[in-house]
Amino acid sequence: LAKTTQPISMDSYEGQEVNITCSHNNIATNDYITWYQQFPSQGPRFIIQGYKTKVTNEVASLFIPADRKSSTLSLPRVSLSDTAVYYCLVGVQIDKLIFGTGTRLQVFP
Amino acid sequence: NAGVTQTPKFQVLKTGQSMTLQCAQDMNHEYMSWYRQDPGMGLRLIHYSVGAGITDQGEVPNGYNVSRSTTEDFPLRLLSAAPSQTSVYFCASSSQDSNSPLHFGNGTRLTVT
Repeated sequence: LAKTTQPISMDSYEGQEVNITCSHNNIATNDYITWYQQFPSQGPRFIIQGYKTKVTNEVASLFIPADRKSSTLSLPRVSLSDTAVYYCLVGVQIDKLIFGTGTRLQVFP
Repeated sequence: NAGVTQTPKFQVLKTGQSMTLQCAQDMNHEYMSWYRQDPGMGLRLIHYSVGAGITDQGEVPNGYNVSRSTTEDFPLRLLSAAPSQTSVYFCASSSQDSNSPLHFGNGTRLTVT
């Protein structure tokens, strides 16, 4: 099982770029890297997914180095509404996905 | 399009009582799963299903039963509630594509006294 390691918490201010790095040293060849966002009293919500290099969508970018042993979620110009817990998951099989404790991002005005 | 719907949102049980947490999805997803979320422990997989009639155990299955008679529904049954089952329960679904993301409901907060 691909275990992930993320910082427990991060603080930022509105308008700044936030980068959250996740380590996944034992990632398997066919594993994808997926990030979820969770607000209080809600279920996690899919943000972005990638396999290698860089992926960008309307809310975030995901950077994956060549060895794929880590990944970085980049949130450009965060706002107060980005305050949430962010989870990094590695894997494709439903019974092999491990949610760690995530990274609690607090955005201040 | 409602996505994944969980009921009830809140429930209080006494030790030993039984109940069923409901989960329904309208996306025609083959895969469905139940997680529990406890403070400081992230989400842990209880049971999952890869299609109607097929279920399997996850990381923490003890004390819970599931069934999957239809593609849409995946109820979670607590046979005899215990205080250790106090938690927030999330249901998720995904398509059978190998890298399909999970779609979560908004959870059921269960308290067992």
